[in-house]
Amino acid sequence: DTAVSQTPKYLVTQMGNDKSIKCEQNLGHDTMYWYKQDSKKFLKIMFSYNNKELIINETVPNRFSPKSPDKAHLNLHINSLELGDSAVYFCASTQISGNSGNTIYFGEGSWLTVV
Amino acid sequence: AQKITQTQPGMFVQEKEAVTLDCTYDTSDPSYGLFWYKQPSSGEMIFLIYQGSYDQQNATEGRYSLNFQKARKSANLVISASQLGDSAMYFCAMKRNTGFQKLVFGTGTRLLVSP
Repeated sequence: DTAVSQTPKYLVTQMGNDKSIKCEQNLGHDTMYWYKQDSKKFLKIMFSYNNKELIINETVPNRFSPKSPDKAHLNLHINSLELGDSAVYFCASTQISGNSGNTIYFGEGSWLTVV
Repeated sequence: AQKITQTQPGMFVQEKEAVTLDCTYDTSDPSYGLFWYKQPSSGEMIFLIYQGSYDQQNATEGRYSLNFQKARKSANLVISASQLGDSAMYFCAMKRNTGFQKLVFGTGTRLLVSP
């Protein structure tokens, strides 16, 4: 029973392609995130959605477009992939409403390699 | 703005010994949470321990304890009785508990446990 699941786990694709990474959480949380971990292992937030609404959008190129069809899903679509997009992308979730101190749980990560 | 600093890029410890991983933080928010995550070589982000800014006692979870010194803005992780399986990257992170809530990560500490 994976709490936060991402697919695919590994993705190798050519420059210029468009790809999507899907994320689902079965924890009943109201908030989901996408984080990017670069080659130096640094983790940085990209987006956050609360109840399907975008609440955090860090400085991310327009080629990255998150979509949240419902509060249990947050997908990441990337257009015109570039070499620098190669990274590990982590989905995460937490419950904000009604509880201020909740833990954020991460998916297993999606390894994207652009060649 | 929130900031997390981990000054130890790498740490070595012998099996069965205790080790302390340092973490200092900076924030102007009165209510916040501090987290430690473990990332083994397989890549997943595993939640270890949480400390709320208003918690009076230091958090403990099994062999993990968080040495929270609020006045010094430090939240060091103590791992007792190290095991070989503890070898991994360890990330300290913080999240404000009001407004836009996102985890801000440190640069991580790589721990190597030797037999």
